[in-house]
Amino acid sequence: SQELEQSPQSLIVQEGKNLTINCTSSKTLYGLYWYKQKYGEGLIFLMMLQKGGEEKSHEKITAKLDEKKQQSSLHITASQPSHAGIYLCGADKIEGGSEKLVFGKGTKLTVNP
Amino acid sequence: KAGVTQTPRYLIKTRGQQVTLSCSPISGHRSVSWYQQTPGQGLQFLFEYFSETQRNKGNFPGRFSGRQFSNSRSEMNVSTLELGDSALYLCASSWRGALQETQYFGPGTRLLVL
Repeated sequence: SQELEQSPQSLIVQEGKNLTINCTSSKTLYGLYWYKQKYGEGLIFLMMLQKGGEEKSHEKITAKLDEKKQQSSLHITASQPSHAGIYLCGADKIEGGSEKLVFGKGTKLTVNP
Repeated sequence: KAGVTQTPRYLIKTRGQQVTLSCSPISGHRSVSWYQQTPGQGLQFLFEYFSETQRNKGNFPGRFSGRQFSNSRSEMNVSTLELGDSALYLCASSWRGALQETQYFGPGTRLLVL
């Protein structure tokens, strides 16, 4: 079954530093989503990637889906305390005739001022 | 456009009781999906409703059920609550619920079972 592995599990950076979060799948990704979650709250949609090599940016956050469509990376440039939270990658999965969105375990980001 | 709303936001129940959670999707969205989030298991898919019909289902026991109304609002019910049902329950809406279509999440209902 397809699983999503995120790395690192947690990350502490100093404000202003760049960072990268990775999401790796055991199978080809057809729809890859990045969400951000503040503790105990709902998920905020960041970006969706569909095509191999696709790259999207929103403010200082850039996400890319590799050519083989089995890994995605999320890069934050010049991090700020507002970037702190849990970043989750999600992917479409078809199993037993059922379609659903599956998620990685998340990466907890702390940005120290 | 108003976002996805969930009520109540917090709930405390005791073992054996039942609970009903409500989700109102973004206007125009016809698909509502439910997820359970726990520290140990992460986010897990419960089920999806589209046009009042359950279209997809995750691997949860029959104590977890749901329904969708003609206005696309959805309810989720958990009967005979167990301690392990304590979690953040999230619902998400999308227009068609199709693959490669973004799902927008509500703030969640935090359920504590004592």
